[in-house]
Amino acid sequence: GQNIDQPTEMTATEGAIVQINCTYQTSGFNGLFWYQQHAGEAPTFLSYNVLDGLEEKGRFSSFLSRSKGYSYLLLKELQMKDSASYLCAGHSGGYQKVTFGTGTKLQVIP
Amino acid sequence: DVKVTQSSRYLVKRTGEKVFLECVQDMDHENMFWYRQDPGLGLRLIYFSYDVKMKEKGDIPEGYSVSREKKERFSLILESASTNQTSMYLCASTPDTSYEQYFGPGTRLTVT
Repeated sequence: GQNIDQPTEMTATEGAIVQINCTYQTSGFNGLFWYQQHAGEAPTFLSYNVLDGLEEKGRFSSFLSRSKGYSYLLLKELQMKDSASYLCAGHSGGYQKVTFGTGTKLQVIP
Repeated sequence: DVKVTQSSRYLVKRTGEKVFLECVQDMDHENMFWYRQDPGLGLRLIYFSYDVKMKEKGDIPEGYSVSREKKERFSLILESASTNQTSMYLCASTPDTSYEQYFGPGTRLTVT
C-alpha cells in the first residue's frame, strides 16, 4: 500500500514563493503527481515526476527524491487565484492506480 | 480537450434506495476511475476499470459496485444507499499512454 503525508493548510503572501512538501512510503513506486483543486471544482493535473530532480513549468515547479521518499511543489510569484488545495498523489503498481494524499489547502493573502 | 461528464452535480437520495452515478468520457480512454472525496480524508479510490467489462476494486469498494459495458461509460452503483455514503463522487479517466487523470466535475450525493 501507500502512505502519503502533506501539511493540511498553508498561508502565503501574494507575490511570494511557497513550497508545499509531500512525503510518501510506497512499494512499487512509479512516480508522483501534483494536482490543483479549487473549492467546489475537480482536480486538475499540474505535474508528474518519475526521475529525481526539479521540473519547472512556468510559475510552478515540482521536485522528487526517490531515495528520500520526498517531493515538493514550488509556486513562485503567488497570485490570489493560486488559493486552492494541492494534492500529492503516488503512482505505483502495474495498473494506473494512484493514491492521493489529503491535500494542502493554500490561502494566498494580499 | 478531454471531456469527462457526470450525470448530476447534486443528488439527494433516501436511505435504502438504489443509486446510479454515470460517467462518460469522450476521448477513447481505456482506464476509468471512481473516487469519493471527504474532508480530512482526501480522494479515495472506490473502483477502477482498465477495459470494457473489466473492473478492479480500489481501497474502499464496500457498499459499491460498478459497470462498464461500453468504453466511454463507467457507472457507479450504490445497491442500498446509506448515510455514510454522503460524499462528493468524482470520476476520472486516463489513456494507457499517459498517467494524467482527467476528472469530471463531481456529483455531490446526500443520503438522508
